[in-house]
Amino acid sequence: EPEVTQTPSHQVTQMGQEVILRCVPISNHLYFYWYRQILGQKVEFLVSFYNNEISEKSEIFDDQFSVERPDGSNFTLKIRSTKLEDSAMYFCASMGGVISYEQYFGPGTRLTVT
Amino acid sequence: AQSVTQLDSHVSVSEGTPVLLRCNYSSSYSPSLFWYVQHPNKGLQLLLKYTSAATLVKGINGFEAEFKKSETSFHLTKPSAHMSDAAEYFCVVSGGMDSSYKLIFGSGTRLLVRP
Repeated sequence: EPEVTQTPSHQVTQMGQEVILRCVPISNHLYFYWYRQILGQKVEFLVSFYNNEISEKSEIFDDQFSVERPDGSNFTLKIRSTKLEDSAMYFCASMGGVISYEQYFGPGTRLTVT
Repeated sequence: AQSVTQLDSHVSVSEGTPVLLRCNYSSSYSPSLFWYVQHPNKGLQLLLKYTSAATLVKGINGFEAEFKKSETSFHLTKPSAHMSDAAEYFCVVSGGMDSSYKLIFGSGTRLLVRP
């Protein structure tokens, strides 16, 4: 069964460093998302991506964040200068189309900023 | 704007007894609603979805949910709990076409299953 994959599973970085979180969505999917879950809190939407551009972003997704789909298979989230409060689990999700509305999630990347 | 409220942060049941996880939603139009499950140190798995077809929705692992418009509820049930059902459950509403179909999560209900 096709699945969304994410690498790395755990990333530790120092404050101020850049990180890139990688995702490989399901191959024929068209809509891509990043969500995050700070420990003990609810899952929050960060950004949606469709047709090679951002379709919506949340207030959390400020200028320090960017997304790319560089090669038609990977979908990356970059945080330019990490802050302590960026520590969270980051989930990538993909959706095939707007008939089923089903988003399939990857296993997540736990980002720890020290 | 769409939102969901999960009424219980923790639910504890004995193995073999029924499970009820409660969710109320708020939406300005007919919503698409989902339940996702998250086992410890795992990703989010779709249990079931409601997208304006049958109001009683059956999902995986014996779970089902009933959409009740009059009560704005979408409660998750299972007739008989199994130890492997212990996990965090999220009630989720779709933001819809006007909102890039993003998902809006409830705060989660942790289900504990006692032997």
